[in-house]
Amino acid sequence: NAGVTQTPKFQVLKTGQSMTLQCAQDMNHEYMSWYRQDPGMGLRLIHYSVGAGITDQGEVPNGYNVSRSTTEDFPLRLLSAAPSQTSVYFCASSRDTSYEQYFGPGTRLTVT
Amino acid sequence: KQEVTQIPAALSVPEGENLVLNCSFTDSAIYNLQWFRQDPGKGLTSLLLIQSSQREQTSGRLNASLDKSSGRSTLYIAASQPGDSATYLCAVLNTNAGKSTFGDGTTLTVKP
Repeated sequence: NAGVTQTPKFQVLKTGQSMTLQCAQDMNHEYMSWYRQDPGMGLRLIHYSVGAGITDQGEVPNGYNVSRSTTEDFPLRLLSAAPSQTSVYFCASSRDTSYEQYFGPGTRLTVT
Repeated sequence: KQEVTQIPAALSVPEGENLVLNCSFTDSAIYNLQWFRQDPGKGLTSLLLIQSSQREQTSGRLNASLDKSSGRSTLYIAASQPGDSATYLCAVLNTNAGKSTFGDGTTLTVKP
């Protein structure tokens, strides 16, 4: 199993550009989530999904969209990038909400 | 709102020492608590998961305990090694909406 994979590893965007961060898992996990990690602020939940076709907002959802058309994939879209979105983004998955979470390697995003 | 605190923020010990990392949370309505390790520039690696009905879990030199009534968990590391140097994070999965809340982590340095 590859586990949780994320692409790209690094990305630089200009303010106002849009892009999609990819996340995929091959463990048939129902629960997937996106976090951002910033110095001094820990990991904060952006969006999550409890299964295909179901998504919900986390703690910091503004400026981000998600969709879950398949069990395997959970892309995160930045609609109009802002410098405040400079961060490291992590995707995670688990069998369901009460089981162990597995994290991807992260995407380091810089918005100039 | 769930708040998770990890004390101390940083810890430096000589090799071979036994040590305890602390995690406290304000809302005891949780599904589980998970301990992670994060190396610089890397993703999160799961160490131990304790379900809310359990008191402790062990894996090798690691032992994690959970006391829901007092809102505390501890991660005990026996016979520390330089390879244990990393940031250790705890996360509680809240029964309310199934969202995870992370602490800011304890950065551990084990000196040879």
